[in-house]
Order: sequence, then C-alpha cells, then structure tokens
Amino acid sequence: DTAVSQTPKYLVTQMGNDKSIKCEQNLGHDTMYWYKQDSKKFLKIMFSYNNKELIINETVPNRFSPKSPDKAHLNLHINSLELGDSAVYFCASSRLGDEAFFGQGTRLTVV
Amino acid sequence: SQKIEQNSEALNIQEGKTATLTCNYTNYSPAYLQWYRQDPGRGPVFLLLIRENEKEKRKERLKVTFDTTLKQSLFHITASQPADSATYLCARDNTDKLIFGTGTRLQVFP
Repeated sequence: DTAVSQTPKYLVTQMGNDKSIKCEQNLGHDTMYWYKQDSKKFLKIMFSYNNKELIINETVPNRFSPKSPDKAHLNLHINSLELGDSAVYFCASSRLGDEAFFGQGTRLTVV
Repeated sequence: SQKIEQNSEALNIQEGKTATLTCNYTNYSPAYLQWYRQDPGRGPVFLLLIRENEKEKRKERLKVTFDTTLKQSLFHITASQPADSATYLCARDNTDKLIFGTGTRLQVFP
C-alpha cells in the first residue's frame, strides 16, 4: 500500500493550459503539503492544509490553488501554466511536528 | 526569516569511511531538525528526527547531533557504502511547516 500517492507522475502540457495534480494519503495524517522542487533541487513549501483548512500559503502565484475535498486528499490546480512552472511537485503528509511522508513526485513540463 | 543551510553541495568519500554532513540554521532555535534521503526521481524519505533537548540520536549506521550553541546539526554515516550515495536534506520546523536545506549530494566510491 502506498502511503502518499500522487498522479500523474509525468505531465507535459502547453503554456496557457490549466492542469491538476492529485494527491491522496492513507496514513490518517491531519496535515498535507505541496512542495515544489526546481532544477537546482531546492525543495520549497507551497501550501499546507491542516484539517481541511489552509494554514500556510507561501508567496506563490494565485494561479496555483490547493483543493482538499477531505482530510485524505489535497489536489493542486494550476491555471494558465507558464514555462517557469516546470518543476517537480511533491505532495507530503504528516502529523504536526512529526516526520513527513512524501509522494513520488509529479514532473511537470510546460512547453 | 528562519533559514537553513547545508554548506556542501557535494561530498565524495571512499567506501568504509565516515561521511559527515553539516546543517546550519539561523535565528531562533528550531524545536527539532529532521534529516531525509532523496534518490534521483523519487521523493524524500525520512531518516532521523532530533529535538532541541537531545544532543545525539542514532539509528543503525546513522548518527545525528544537535548543537544549539553552534546552531548546527551534523549527520554522520559510518562505514559508508556505495548504496548510501544519494542527496541528503535537513529540515527545520517553522510554524507548522518544514523548511528544507538545499541538500548535500553524497557519492560513496568503492
């Protein structure tokens, strides 16, 4: 059983399109996160959700919006994709103050 | 802002030696520090967590220290093996989120 699963693993799309990345965790954690890892491998927090409430919203463009239908899911919607959005996006979950479990990542390429 | 830095971008060592990776933080002392391993094409995997009131933590060949005076954590892999080659990330807590360092790419040569 995969603890944190995200789909798709690869996503190639044209500039201007709207896309979504899905994430699900079966660990019963109350906090989920989205991280962006750029070409220099720096892992940067984008959003975190605790009990379906957005508790941290980093300075990311408002074209990015997290949506959590329930405690086990945190999807990432991206509107009007730009070339600079190309990166690997990781979903993660944890109990607050504890270790984080990461998904396998979604490599987004905007052409 | 609370920053976390890993000084070495890359570290090459010979098999059997001890690898030591450094993580430095600024501003207030974090409640805990975590260390993760990341292999190419995969997500980070948790290794160890050390709290500010702990000086040292061990797990098999891994050892982590936390020095609040130096504002530093050291991560040691003893008797290193080529399979230990990966990128190692340290992370600090910051208001309900984890802030990651830039990582150190470790290469262990046979």
